[in-house]
Amino acid sequence: KAGVTQTPRYLIKTRGQQVTLSCSPISGHRSVSWYQQTPGQGLQFLFEYFSETQRNKGNFPGRFSGRQFSNSRSEMNVSTLELGDSALYLCASSLAGASVNGELFFGEGSRLTVL
Amino acid sequence: GQQVMQIPQYQHVQEGEDFTTYCNSSTTLSNIQWYKQRPGGHPVFLIQLVKSGEVKKQKRLTFQFGEAKKNSSLHITATQTTDVGTYFCAGPGGGYQKVTFGTGTKLQVIP
Repeated sequence: KAGVTQTPRYLIKTRGQQVTLSCSPISGHRSVSWYQQTPGQGLQFLFEYFSETQRNKGNFPGRFSGRQFSNSRSEMNVSTLELGDSALYLCASSLAGASVNGELFFGEGSRLTVL
Repeated sequence: GQQVMQIPQYQHVQEGEDFTTYCNSSTTLSNIQWYKQRPGGHPVFLIQLVKSGEVKKQKRLTFQFGEAKKNSSLHITATQTTDVGTYFCAGPGGGYQKVTFGTGTKLQVIP
């Protein structure tokens, strides 16, 4: 079956702009979690959605937000972009949830560059 | 908050040598997972350990969960160039962090 699909794969924005990233989970998976990966900070948990509800949230400012649709597809939005937001944004889907003994299936990621 | 540290941060080995990465959590974990991320790729699930003292093997890879469930290790026997990548451990976190990933160990295998 198809894996996790993230779009766009690459994008370049300027400071102050906003960006929306999309994630389509594996069919049947109701949990989608988002992570920010940077060389300096490693893999940081952003938030998790399960059946359209935000179940958990990481320690990121309110500029980072997300949502999940009834078909389990998820989007994350970053407003008022800062240079430090440049990163690889990874989405992962799972059957049960990010930490409920659930194997995470990651997408290829969206690489965001903020100039 | 919970911290999960991995050592070493980087490791260069000659092909055929063994490799071990260690994962240490500041809190007790109900389970621990291991992921591998190839250069330019995304993390891929390797295994999950749940029981105290559990040891699991996958071909040349041996995973161990500590008795106190606060540490874990991944050992690769006779490394190959296909083992190149960054290895992450991950466990359920507390507070804001529902899942905490370790800092990762980047393995380079010299042919």
